[in-house]
Amino acid sequence: RKEVEQDPGPFNVPEGATVAFNCTYSNSASQSFFWYRQDCRKEPKLLMSVYSSGNEDGRFTAQLNRASQYISLLIRDSKLSDSATYLCVVSKDSGGSNYKLTFGKGTLLTVNP
Amino acid sequence: EAGVTQFPSHSVIEKGQTVTLRCDPISGHDNLYWYRRVMGKEIKFLLHFVKESKQDESGMPNNRFLAERTGGTYSTLKVQPAELEDSGVYFCASSQVSLAGVYEQYFGPGTRLTVT
Repeated sequence: RKEVEQDPGPFNVPEGATVAFNCTYSNSASQSFFWYRQDCRKEPKLLMSVYSSGNEDGRFTAQLNRASQYISLLIRDSKLSDSATYLCVVSKDSGGSNYKLTFGKGTLLTVNP
Repeated sequence: EAGVTQFPSHSVIEKGQTVTLRCDPISGHDNLYWYRRVMGKEIKFLLHFVKESKQDESGMPNNRFLAERTGGTYSTLKVQPAELEDSGVYFCASSQVSLAGVYEQYFGPGTRLTVT
């Protein structure tokens, strides 16, 4: 079983749509949770950290359910510029300030005009 | 502030040759990580430095891979001899402790390695 599993996608949605990404992780000791976005042939960039209380940043809302080991990302009113691969990422303290990241495979989103 | 830089951006080498990848982290970032994405797979951790010390190299595939970070600044990742399965994108990331206590990692643009 993979450590981080995401919806395989791809997702194709029209502009203005709401799209949800789901992710589960297997290591219950995971401490930190993130959504990264990666544009084609670019590096991953942090979109937002995910906290137990849930958090919102503009059109983006992230939720974490530790009991279910489930993470979600909701994008409202999607824009063409949201087209990218969305990566679910978890980490834990592996000692020596090592917070190595464990990535999901990513879900490709294409927002169409 | 300059971001994480990596060199070269692309490298095409033949099986059996040697390649050295370089990463310059964000100035002042003590933590430096190497990751790799093989085609069709997820990004995977290779190793972690704190300053010049290797803290965790559990993700290194085998002893053909050697990473160094002399002086605790830039890092190199050498593959010798390269095999076909080493092809992929090698990312470097650096981090410093954030005020929230969550280690935010900033990624470089990656080196795309192709072994033929």
